[in-house]
Order: sequence, then C-alpha cells, then structure tokens
Amino acid sequence: NAGVMQNPRHLVRRRGQEARLRCSPVKGHSHVYWYRQLPEEGLKFMVYLQKENIIDESGMPKERFSAEFPKEGPSILRIQQVVRGDSAAYFCASSPTEMINYGYTFGSGTRLTVV
Amino acid sequence: GEDVEQSLFLSVREGDSSVINCTYTDSSSTYLYWYKQEPGAGLQLLTYIFSNMDMKQDQRLTVLLNKKDKHLSLRIADTQTGDSAIYFCAESRRSNDYKLSFGAGTTVTVRA
Repeated sequence: NAGVMQNPRHLVRRRGQEARLRCSPVKGHSHVYWYRQLPEEGLKFMVYLQKENIIDESGMPKERFSAEFPKEGPSILRIQQVVRGDSAAYFCASSPTEMINYGYTFGSGTRLTVV
Repeated sequence: GEDVEQSLFLSVREGDSSVINCTYTDSSSTYLYWYKQEPGAGLQLLTYIFSNMDMKQDQRLTVLLNKKDKHLSLRIADTQTGDSAIYFCAESRRSNDYKLSFGAGTTVTVRA
C-alpha cells in the first residue's frame, strides 16, 4: 500500500517559469493538504483540498499560486512566474477524513529550486 | 512570535537519553505531535498526545505535556545514530484541526 507520492522529487526552474508539483494521496484518501518548508523553518500550511473543492486556502499566497484536486488524478500545486523566494520544499499530506487527530501521512516532498 | 517554538540544536552521546523541548502559545491546542525528518525525506509521525493527557510512552519515546506552562517534551531513551534527524513539534486546534502549526525543528546529532 503506497503512501503519499509526490513528484518530481527535485525541480529546478528559472525565474519566470511555471512549476507544477504533483501529489497522489494514499489510496482511498480524499483529503489533501499542501505545506511549504522554507530553509531552516518549520512547515507552513498552504491549502486544504477535497476532491474538486478547495476547503481552506488561507495559507496560499494570493498571487501566482493555485491548487487543484480533480475528480481523477493527482492534486496539483501550480506556481506561475516563479521567483527565488519560492525556493522551498513543498510537502503534501493526505487523510481519509477531515478529522486528522492522529496526524497526517506526509509525502517525501518536492524540493523546488529557482535559479 | 511564532506559535510553536523549539530549540534549534541538540547534541547527544550514543546510548544517552535525548530530551527535545517545545513551547506553544495557544491554550486551545487540542493535539500535539512530534514528527521526525531525516535528510532529504518527508516527515514521519512519531507520536502524538491529546491535550487532556500528561504523559504518553511508546517504546523508547516518552512525551510529557505541561498544559499549564504550554510545554511539550520528547524524550528518546538509549539514543542511537539512527535517531539523528530534525524533530518537529506541531499542534492543532479544535476549530480547524487539519491545520497544523509547526515549530522550526530541533536538529539532533548523535555522536559516538
């Protein structure tokens, strides 16, 4: 039973390009969460999605960032016109319900480097 | 200040006990978690404690919660080289318990 799968593991983009990060949740999980980890910092919540719905995007920057979780396929975090400050590790987590009292299952992350 | 704070570094001798400390600010915190992150890897949930508990033990791990002082600690007994990692404290609140607030992490280095 595979855990949360994220790809790519490493992504290099030039300033101004688009970055697309993919997350496949644990099979049967319909709730997905994205977090960002800046260098030497803890993880910061970005967005919570259920299938075809954004539930809470309070941690997402207002511009250039978007997320989706379609009916079929992985969740995508899209960053348009990347800047150096977007360089970070982006982690996805999933859960079977909205109650995560016992903690999420995290993926291994995508490390984005903007050059 | 940050909602969750941790000391940044801890060095411990192999075989000794490690104690990692964390303080949080929100008295409405319901669950508190400890995660482990090895280099280049994702976060692995080690253990969690509900806010109405004082202590939880799981093999080599002991979690202590002082709710009055909003202080959480993780004790690792008989620390091994495989315990070298970054340890994150996190908390969630009843109002939106899917949104975890993380500390900046404590880097634990185990020396022979």
